[in-house]
Amino acid sequence: GAVVSQHPSRVICKSGTSVKIECRSLDFQATTMFWYRQFPKQSLMLMATSNEGSKATYEQGVEKDKFLINHASLTLSTLTVTSAHPEDSSFYICSASTGGDEQFFGPGTRLTVL
Amino acid sequence: SQQGEEDPQALSIQEGENATMNCSYKTSINNLQWYRQNSGRGLVHLILIRSNEREKHSGRLRVTLDTSKKSSSLLITASRAADTASYFCATISRGGGSNYKLTFGKGTLLTVNP
Repeated sequence: GAVVSQHPSRVICKSGTSVKIECRSLDFQATTMFWYRQFPKQSLMLMATSNEGSKATYEQGVEKDKFLINHASLTLSTLTVTSAHPEDSSFYICSASTGGDEQFFGPGTRLTVL
Repeated sequence: SQQGEEDPQALSIQEGENATMNCSYKTSINNLQWYRQNSGRGLVHLILIRSNEREKHSGRLRVTLDTSKKSSSLLITASRAADTASYFCATISRGGGSNYKLTFGKGTLLTVNP
């Protein structure tokens, strides 16, 4: 139980394009989903928290207009990196929670912006 | 310093030896969790220890928590080459609103040599 998937697992795009990453909770309803970013050899940094049906809460320093988060249903959240640039290349990981203090992580999405 | 800092940053041992990783944090927590990440992969949840617990075991893993010192340790006994990975501690605290927030440490890169 408590499986979270992400799609795609890796994506390569040209600078200036937008990329959408999906995060799905497969066998439970996630009232809250989290998006993290991890640069090479570094730790995970929380980007934003989203509750189903409401606007995401972004961490300090994360541009909400660049990283669009949608949590339209209890099993799906999307992160769209708009006008991606090479510095946005990173490993993006989502997690999902039923509202308690436990989070279930997806396998991550490797984004490479050329 | 960041919440949830691990030491050492890197640890190299021989198969069969024990590996100990430490984590320190700064603020009050609800619980502390340890995760494992193989290179370029998602996170695997290892163990969760609550703030009212002092020690917890799971297979070859032993976690301790000292809330007075705001520190935790992860011990892996009888290490195997397959234990080679990065290990992160993460503290849970209340974020904005009713959400819980995970803050990750910088991680320890463990290399177990066969």
